[in-house]
Amino acid sequence: RKEVEQDPGPFNVPEGATVAFNCTYSNSASQSFFWYRQDCRKEPKLLMSVYSSGNEDGRFTAQLNRASQYISLLIRDSKLSDSATYLCVVSRNAGNMLTFGGGTRLMVKP
Amino acid sequence: EAQVTQNPRYLITVTGKKLTVTCSQNMNHEYMSWYRQDPGLGLRQIYYSMNVEVTDKGDVPEGYKVSRKEKRNFPLILESPSPNQTSLYFCASSLQMGLTYEQYFGPGTRLTVT
Repeated sequence: RKEVEQDPGPFNVPEGATVAFNCTYSNSASQSFFWYRQDCRKEPKLLMSVYSSGNEDGRFTAQLNRASQYISLLIRDSKLSDSATYLCVVSRNAGNMLTFGGGTRLMVKP
Repeated sequence: EAQVTQNPRYLITVTGKKLTVTCSQNMNHEYMSWYRQDPGLGLRQIYYSMNVEVTDKGDVPEGYKVSRKEKRNFPLILESPSPNQTSLYFCASSLQMGLTYEQYFGPGTRLTVT
């Protein structure tokens, strides 16, 4: 089983739709969780950190469920510019290393 | 402008010819790391460095070397490249490692080994 698993998609959604991605992780000792965004052939960029209490940044909401070992990302009112691959990232080794999921590809259509 | 730079951006080389990919950051970050990204395998950590002269292996260190003689630079060395090292490489830096510290990635180096 992979340490961090994501549905690769693609998720094809119309503009304005709400879409949610889940990511499961296997290491119960993981402390830090992040969502990164990666555009085609570009470098990953931090979208948001994921806190135990959940957090929201504009149209984006991230949730952490430690008991079930998954994190989620909800995107409301999807924009064409949201089309990208979303990477779930989990820390390990006392926070010194990061494990990246394979990414979920989102395509927002007009 | 705060950034992580990598050179070269694209490289085609032959098996066995030593090469170095440079990485430099201007943010005075302590933590630096190298990743490779391959289709179906995602990003995998090669080596990381917590600070000057402190380096450690990641998940896929075989065939690679690194050094951290200065805080801003973290070169990746392939002593004898092989075709299975054909990949997209990213360097990243972070103020420190911890709960909320963001990793800043360089633009990537696309390496082809024939």
